[in-house]
Amino acid sequence: EVQLVESGGGLVQPGGSLRLSCAASGFPFSGYWMNWVRQAPGKGLEWVANIKQDGGEKYYVDSVKGRFTISRDNAANSLYLQMNSLRGEDTAVYFCARVRAVGGMVWHDYWGRGTLVTVSS
Amino acid sequence: EIVLTQSPGTLSLSPGERATLSCRASQSVSSGYLAWYQQKPGQAPRLLIYGASSRATGIPDRFSGSGSGTDFTLTISRLEPEDFAVYYCQHYGSSVFTFGPGTTVDIK
Repeated sequence: EVQLVESGGGLVQPGGSLRLSCAASGFPFSGYWMNWVRQAPGKGLEWVANIKQDGGEKYYVDSVKGRFTISRDNAANSLYLQMNSLRGEDTAVYFCARVRAVGGMVWHDYWGRGTLVTVSS
Repeated sequence: EIVLTQSPGTLSLSPGERATLSCRASQSVSSGYLAWYQQKPGQAPRLLIYGASSRATGIPDRFSGSGSGTDFTLTISRLEPEDFAVYYCQHYGSSVFTFGPGTTVDIK
């Protein structure tokens, strides 16, 4: 059974840092692109970042470029999001999601339950 | 950058009725890169449709997707009580993902 379990969320002051983790199991983690997607309270979904299978390509939404870093450890079946210089607008539930790409189609097929990040003084 | 617009913002219907949700892209997109998700309060999104019209595993056949170019539609043929939720369309292109703002389907 595919499982994605996020951790590392919490309360942090503006300007602070936090590292999120996503533990993957039930599938060959090294074979998939992985994403972070966030959802501010009462708002819609926003893609944050993604990373290629070998970590060699990474992409970010403009609002987090230069502040967030996505990484992965395929030996540990884990995905990470290092978040620096946090702002109030980064307050959200952060989901990790597996990317499926087959036959010219791309979608998120599995999602974790999310971890809440609150940026406030 | 592709922008997705969903309409209506809220759809108030009764169980058993048909729901038609629209997702419009700011420019023509590949159907293969258009997906639909359902989200209920406090839960992660759940994949419904990928490639604009392919139903995900375990999704009831009352859910169907269609469309091409800039206009895509998610149809729920007969609403069941568990279908009242928020629905998002999503596009992938040039290594980035974009979500629409969502349509809330609530009970009339």
